[in-house]
Amino acid sequence: EAQVTQNPRYLITVTGKKLTVTCSQNMNHEYMSWYRQDPGLGLRQIYYSMNVEVTDKGDVPEGYKVSRKEKRNFPLILESPSPNQTSLYFCASSSILRTGGGETQYFGPGTRLLVL
Amino acid sequence: EDQVTQSPEALRLQEGESSSLNCSYTVSGLRGLFWYRQDPGKGPEFLFTLYSAGEEKEKERLKATLTKKESFLHITAPKPEDSATYLCAVQASLSGGYNKLIFGAGTRLAVHP
Repeated sequence: EAQVTQNPRYLITVTGKKLTVTCSQNMNHEYMSWYRQDPGLGLRQIYYSMNVEVTDKGDVPEGYKVSRKEKRNFPLILESPSPNQTSLYFCASSSILRTGGGETQYFGPGTRLLVL
Repeated sequence: EDQVTQSPEALRLQEGESSSLNCSYTVSGLRGLFWYRQDPGKGPEFLFTLYSAGEEKEKERLKATLTKKESFLHITAPKPEDSATYLCAVQASLSGGYNKLIFGAGTRLAVHP
């Protein structure tokens, strides 16, 4: 089954304790992205990756890091989490988005993070 | 600045009561407009992609339309299982040919029996 998986699904942590949220896709997609979703603000892009070893900042990258060492995996790293990073996080993937038309992004189930 | 606005924020319907959700956008270089459905605690689920003004797509009780400034998601004779948050996203061009999605805040739809 084609899917995007995220782990963990729920996480409670304390300020300053480094954490990693994993994301994996089995569709051989080049493009992967991380979003956070907050009430009233919609989904906002944190980082995206066009392919292995190619990553770039989205709209709200502060406090986050990513890496893309393998095509299928795109982990999100919070090196020193703060309470304002409490949110619902989604990973997404798609075939490469070419100029001239969109490719559908497929989303993971989400990771709900609480930073105390 | 690229922006997507959805209205209303929340909508309550009786079963069978048809209505429309609105998505208005300002974006340079629109490459596509997407509609997603999101159930509580789950990731967005793809519904439609629209590329050009005048285009329409249908799926069961849902029909999406696109103009140069906005898109509508029409829900005909809704059922309680249509209750969800509906998200609109536009795909805009970036320098270098790369695209990104800009999401609206969503419309929470509740359909009551």
